[in-house]
Amino acid sequence: ETGVTQSPTHLIKTRGQQVTLRCSSQSGHNTVSWYQQALGQGPQFIFQYYREEENGRGNFPPRFSGLQFPNYSSELNVNALELDDSALYLCASSPRDRGVNTEAFFGQGTRLTVV
Amino acid sequence: AQSVTQLDSQVPVFEEAPVELRCNYSSSVSVYLFWYVQYPNQGLQLLLKYLSGSTLVESINGFEAEFNKSQTSFHLRKPSVHISDTAEYFCAVSLSRDDKIIFGKGTRLHILP
Repeated sequence: ETGVTQSPTHLIKTRGQQVTLRCSSQSGHNTVSWYQQALGQGPQFIFQYYREEENGRGNFPPRFSGLQFPNYSSELNVNALELDDSALYLCASSPRDRGVNTEAFFGQGTRLTVV
Repeated sequence: AQSVTQLDSQVPVFEEAPVELRCNYSSSVSVYLFWYVQYPNQGLQLLLKYLSGSTLVESINGFEAEFNKSQTSFHLRKPSVHISDTAEYFCAVSLSRDDKIIFGKGTRLHILP
């Protein structure tokens, strides 16, 4: 059984650019949630994907978008990067039938720095 | 709306001493409660969770938390900490098993030798 893997681990982008972060969910997990953790803060919910569709969204602008693929892996895309987008982005996978957050497993995160 | 308040941003404690990390939540309905731990440069790991039933929940590494509905608290305790417990601890709530998780700002546990 593999865990949740995220790539890349670190990334530096310039303001205005676009970025794609990737998440491979744990085997058997069909739901993926994305969180943003700014420095010194707790993670904040961005959105959740289930059955390849967005299933809940936090207070983030539309330039934050995502995808889920048939194998349940997911991408987080951020357009028109701003300096405040610098954060650790965490992906969590879970089996929906056993509870999205009661059985959530987090990846190591992608550290995004916008300069 | 639900919210989580972790009253201490940092807690220094000597090795082998007891520790309590405080957490209060705000919600007008029943919630699920969690404690997550984040070791340096790592992602989040679930430490323990309260869903229903016994108000005292325990983790495999000696931590425990007690759900107090009247005080809307879910404080985390350990009777004797080790240097390996150095980490950031996040209290979190959710309205249901499928809803988003709302995290507190975290408490950094600093173990003194």
